[in-house]
Amino acid sequence: KQEVTQIPAALSVPEGENLVLNCSFTDSAIYNLQWFRQDPGKGLTSLLLIQSSQREQTSGRLNASLDKSSGRSTLYIAASQPGDSATYLCAVRRTGANSKLTFGKGITLSVRP
Amino acid sequence: GAGVSQTPSNKVTEKGKYVELRCDPISGHTALYWYRQSLGQGPEFLIYFQGTGAADDSGLPNDRFFAVRPEGSVSTLKIQRTERGDSAVYLCASSLRMGPIYFGEGSWLTVV
Repeated sequence: KQEVTQIPAALSVPEGENLVLNCSFTDSAIYNLQWFRQDPGKGLTSLLLIQSSQREQTSGRLNASLDKSSGRSTLYIAASQPGDSATYLCAVRRTGANSKLTFGKGITLSVRP
Repeated sequence: GAGVSQTPSNKVTEKGKYVELRCDPISGHTALYWYRQSLGQGPEFLIYFQGTGAADDSGLPNDRFFAVRPEGSVSTLKIQRTERGDSAVYLCASSLRMGPIYFGEGSWLTVV
């Protein structure tokens, strides 16, 4: 059974810092990994999708990496801003016919002005 | 529509009542998913449709929960004899078969 872990559960940083959010998973037989952002009381917004054959994906100030063999992904946020404050969740999709995502519990990020 | 649409956005119901939650996926998306999220937790898988059929319903917690997608587009999640423990946000998502998954804003269910 796939398990996804995100540690720490919460993180507070001053504005302008570069930061890394970690995600680990137990079963390396994944099809892809997706990072999401969730604002309080809202649904999930897709940030980046990395296919299992890829090492990283970039979008603006965000960069996500994937090391399938070690069961790890990181989300790098450059020059953090208060507007980046939210919960960040990673989710993995297994190979095969079963297409569901398995989520971590998320990391709640607070960027202080 | 432009995104995944869920109705109602909020629902308060009494214990024991029947509830229906509706999801309208992104046009053309064949895959549709229902998840449930409790406070401080990540989304928990409930059921996945590919077209009209439920490809995986292993996440439905018990037989009070049922979901349909009769025409391969709109889906309805049905909860019978609601219990206080069913209170959560119910998230719907859709995708092309193995592409990125896009979520709606959720239906916030409170059972009193």
